[in-house]
Amino acid sequence: KAGVTQTPRYLIKTRGQQVTLSCSPISGHRSVSWYQQTPGQGLQFLFEYFSETQRNKGNFPGRFSGRQFSNSRSEMNVSTLELGDSALYLCASSSGLAGGQETQYFGPGTRLLVL
Amino acid sequence: GEDVEQSLFLSVREGDSSVINCTYTDSSSTYLYWYKQEPGAGLQLLTYIFSNMDMKQDQRLTVLLNKKDKHLSLRIADTQTGDSAIYFCAEFESWGKLQFGAGTQVVVTP
Repeated sequence: KAGVTQTPRYLIKTRGQQVTLSCSPISGHRSVSWYQQTPGQGLQFLFEYFSETQRNKGNFPGRFSGRQFSNSRSEMNVSTLELGDSALYLCASSSGLAGGQETQYFGPGTRLLVL
Repeated sequence: GEDVEQSLFLSVREGDSSVINCTYTDSSSTYLYWYKQEPGAGLQLLTYIFSNMDMKQDQRLTVLLNKKDKHLSLRIADTQTGDSAIYFCAEFESWGKLQFGAGTQVVVTP
């Protein structure tokens, strides 16, 4: 099976712009979780989607949003970018069928640089 | 949220065993995970252990779980230069959410 794919792999944006990141889960997986990784804060959970519904959300401002499509692909959007949004954004997929406790498999990440 | 704690750095000689330690706080955690991250890459799942187990072995990897002390360890036998990476332990916290430690940087020296 193909692994989790994320596009684009690298992005450079300027403050105030918005950005959309994409994640395609492993075939058959219906849950997609998003994480932000920075040197200062480590890995922080953004949100999780299952069957097009957001089931869980972390402590991020409303500028961070996401959605999931019927084919389980997910997108994450960040509006009004700030310098502090520079990070590696990771998505992870899992089957989503065991109370959210299933093993998560991660993609390679999208590295976002905000100037 | 709950905190997962790890030591930040470990230096080990090639061929020796590495032991990476982690403490977690949520006694109801059902699954505990170890992930590896190489420079510029995502997280690679190494192994996981269910909370009703004390030990799990998978080739060069051995996971030990002490539920009483909420302590998790990962032992890598015969450490190789390719094992140089950051290792994260993580516990399941809620729907689709893993709580990660800060990561342990492992440096393997010849």
